[in-house]
Amino acid sequence: VQLVESGGGLVKPGGSLRLSCAASGFTFSTYSFNWVRQAPGKGLEWVASISSSGYYIHYADSLKGRFTISRDNAKSSLYLQMSSLRAEDTAVYYCARDLWEQNPPFDSWGQGTLVTVSS
Amino acid sequence: QLVVTQSPSASASLGASVKVTCTLTSGHTNYAIGWHQQQPEKAPRFLMKINSDGSHIKGDGVPDRFSGSSSGAERYLTISSLQSEDEADYYCQTWGAGGVVFGGGTKLTVL
Repeated sequence: VQLVESGGGLVKPGGSLRLSCAASGFTFSTYSFNWVRQAPGKGLEWVASISSSGYYIHYADSLKGRFTISRDNAKSSLYLQMSSLRAEDTAVYYCARDLWEQNPPFDSWGQGTLVTVSS
Repeated sequence: QLVVTQSPSASASLGASVKVTCTLTSGHTNYAIGWHQQQPEKAPRFLMKINSDGSHIKGDGVPDRFSGSSSGAERYLTISSLQSEDEADYYCQTWGAGGVVFGGGTKLTVL
C-alpha cells in the first residue's frame, strides 16, 4: 500500500490550492478515504472523508464551504480542493485510507504535503 | 459531543512497560478507537483498532510489544520492552455521525 500526496506549497491568503493523493498497491475503488491535517507543532485534525464511490462525503464543520474532497477511481487518486485559504490552514496535509469502507480507523497514511499560507 | 481525551505526556524507562490511555466521553463509551504512532518528523502510522470488548486488530508489521485493551470508557495502548524508537506521539482516533475525532496526543518519552 502506498499513498503519495502532492500539490502543497506556498499560497497567499485568499488563494486556492489543489492537493492530490496517488494510491497504489491495492484496489483503490473499494476503499473510502480521508484528508487529515496537522498544523506546525499541533495535533491531528480530520478534514474530510469520501466513500469508495464518491457518493458520501463529510467535512469537518469548521471547513465546510471552503474545501472540497473528490476522487477519480480510474486514476486511483484522491483530491482536496482548497479555496479562500487562511493563515490557520497552514499545515501538513495527509491522505489516509479507512480500514474498511466508511469505517475507520485509518490503516494507511501518506507521507504528507506541506501547505503554507502566507503573504 | 464525541470527544476523546488523552494525557499530554507519559514516560517510562528503556525496557520497561507503559500504558497510554484514551478516554471516551459519556454516552460514547461503547465506541471503538484506533491508535496511531507518530515518530518525530514522520507521518502517522496505524497501530491498532480496539473495540469496546477489548478485541483488537493490529496494523501490518506492528510488533507484539504493542497491545490494546479496554475498560468502560477507557481504551489502552500498552507498550512493553520499551525501545528508544518508541519515543513518539501517540494519537487515539474515534468516529461517529459527526465525523472523525482525534485525541490531543500523548508524547511518550523513553528515559
